Amino acid sequence: EAAVTQSPRNKVAVTGGKVTLSCNQTNNHNNMYWYRQDTGHGLRLIHYSYGAGSTEKGDIPDGYKASRPSQENFSLILELATPSQTSVYFCASGARNTGQLYFGEGSKLTVL
Amino acid sequence: GDSVTQTEGQVALSEEDFLTIHCNYSASGYPALFWYVQYPGEGPQFLFRASRDKEKGSSRGFEATYDKGTTSFHLRKASVQESDSAVYYCALGSSSSFSKLVFGQGTSLSVVP
Repeated sequence: EAAVTQSPRNKVAVTGGKVTLSCNQTNNHNNMYWYRQDTGHGLRLIHYSYGAGSTEKGDIPDGYKASRPSQENFSLILELATPSQTSVYFCASGARNTGQLYFGEGSKLTVL
Repeated sequence: GDSVTQTEGQVALSEEDFLTIHCNYSASGYPALFWYVQYPGEGPQFLFRASRDKEKGSSRGFEATYDKGTTSFHLRKASVQESDSAVYYCALGSSSSFSKLVFGQGTSLSVVP
């Protein structure tokens, strides 16, 4: 069974603080993704990676950084969190060029 | 850029009703089209895909046919059950890279017994 694990599952942060969301996959997939989910917008791609050491900008990268130190791990970093970044964040992994993604259970971030 | 539009934000049905969720896309070339389902408290799950004109994808009683002429990939099910209550997402993978998906806004389906 494909497995993608996110941490933390819930996070409350203050405006201007630094937030790191972590993701681990045991699927041995090359590709990993960070999406955010907001009512009325669906799922929007923030950053993605094709393998260890690589990160690419998605459709809404402003205010976010990403890091892929290994095949298994992909982090999303908010250096200066803002209330507009309050959302549910999903990590996903997928084999190259299939479009079949395996999602984690989500991380709910509230920025006060 | 590529985009996906789901017409219905919310759909409310009774068990055994027929379901249609509309999905239209805008993209160049021949994108791959997908349906994902998200149950409460979980991440989205792949339902099925289609990658060429007139191809039908199906899974768990749900089906959709790729129609390049009308740029559509509408989700249908003949008889819904309460357990089908979930959010359904239509998605597109561009012809240059199926790895990077663009999702629609999602449609929340509620089925009452």
